Amino acid sequence: NAGVMQNPRHLVRRRGQEARLRCSPVKGHSHVYWYRQLPEEGLKFMVYLQKENIIDESGMPKERFSAEFPKEGPSILRIQQVVRGDSAAYFCASSLRTGQGDEKLFFGSGTQLSVL
Amino acid sequence: DAKTTQPNSMESNEEEPVHLPCNHSTISGTDYIHWYRQLPSQGPEYVIHGLTSNVNNRMASLAIAEDRKSSTLILHRATLRDAAVYYCILIGRSGNTGKLIFGQGTTLQVKP
Repeated sequence: NAGVMQNPRHLVRRRGQEARLRCSPVKGHSHVYWYRQLPEEGLKFMVYLQKENIIDESGMPKERFSAEFPKEGPSILRIQQVVRGDSAAYFCASSLRTGQGDEKLFFGSGTQLSVL
Repeated sequence: DAKTTQPNSMESNEEEPVHLPCNHSTISGTDYIHWYRQLPSQGPEYVIHGLTSNVNNRMASLAIAEDRKSSTLILHRATLRDAAVYYCILIGRSGNTGKLIFGQGTTLQVKP
């Protein structure tokens, strides 16, 4: 079974452009999570989506960032009007279920966003 | 979720056992103890988890103290591929158990 697939692996954008990061969860997983890892920092939770719904976006910046997980197709993390501070590794994870505390998360290899 | 404390870094020789400690003195009764690791330029990878009893899987063993205030991840024979940052994370029951709090972790160096 394929794991979590993220693309592109590397994305270069100029300031002011839009960045679109895609994530296909493990087949059968309906819970998707996005994390960001700034240079020399730890991973930080951004948003949790469950098919067509945003469940928890407590870690998402209020402006310029949005996420979706449509009924069909991958989850998308969109960053509008990128700035240099958005340069980071963005990781997607998925799980089969949630709520009990014993769930395993499966992470993708990440998208490295570089803003020039 | 309760906080965990880990040493910043550890060193090991290849093919020797490695014991990675984690303190979690404020753990609650329903918190699971999870370990993830992150290899260079990769996403985190699940290693093992447990609640009260010691656990073994193909990757590692998890030894949990009787009072659950500390735990130890055991790699039985370290390989160069085990060089990574290891994170000890507590996860309790909630509406979003995918909201993991990654601390600084322990950077494990494995010497040939």
